[in-house]
Amino acid sequence: EAGVTQSPTHLIKTRGQQATLRCSPISGHTSVYWYQQALGLGLQFLLWYDEGEERNRGNFPPRFSGRQFPNYSSELNVNALELEDSALYLCASNFRGTEAFFGQGTRLTVV
Amino acid sequence: GENVEQHPSTLSVQEGDSAVIKCTYSDSASNYFPWYKQELGKRPQLIIDIRSNVGEKKDQRIAVTLNKTAKHFSLHITETQPEDSAVYFCADNYGQNFVFGPGTRLSVLP
Repeated sequence: EAGVTQSPTHLIKTRGQQATLRCSPISGHTSVYWYQQALGLGLQFLLWYDEGEERNRGNFPPRFSGRQFPNYSSELNVNALELEDSALYLCASNFRGTEAFFGQGTRLTVV
Repeated sequence: GENVEQHPSTLSVQEGDSAVIKCTYSDSASNYFPWYKQELGKRPQLIIDIRSNVGEKKDQRIAVTLNKTAKHFSLHITETQPEDSAVYFCADNYGQNFVFGPGTRLSVLP
């Protein structure tokens, strides 16, 4: 069974551009969580989607947004990129409070 | 919102010694507490978890204890090995959302 997959693995964007990151959860999982991990730091909660709805969002500006599709895959969009948005973006998936598993992450670099 | 504190932020132990990392949470309704290990350049991996109806859970050299009254849970690693060196994150399943502690960087010295 495939694990959580994220694409692309690496992404380089220019300041002011938009970035789109994608996450495919484990089959049967309905929740997707997005986290930002700056170099050497902790997991900062961005967004939680469940059954197609946004359930919660972390303390990030509105230019961080996303959505969850009917097949439970998810997209994270970051508009008006800033240099400090450079980080590893991780998604995780689970089903109703069970164990959550992480994808390998997307390394976003803003230059 | 929910807050998870984790201590210490860094921990160095000699190979073969034990390591203990402690987390505290604030919401008494929380009922699931996983621990993740993140090696350099890799994704966080679930290593052990505990639910609120259990006080302790053990898996070979690692164990987790939960004190619901005091709202804290701890990760115990015995007979540490160099491959245990990593960043460890605790988490609290708060209303089905996962709130993570800030992490502990464990270094096992040979």
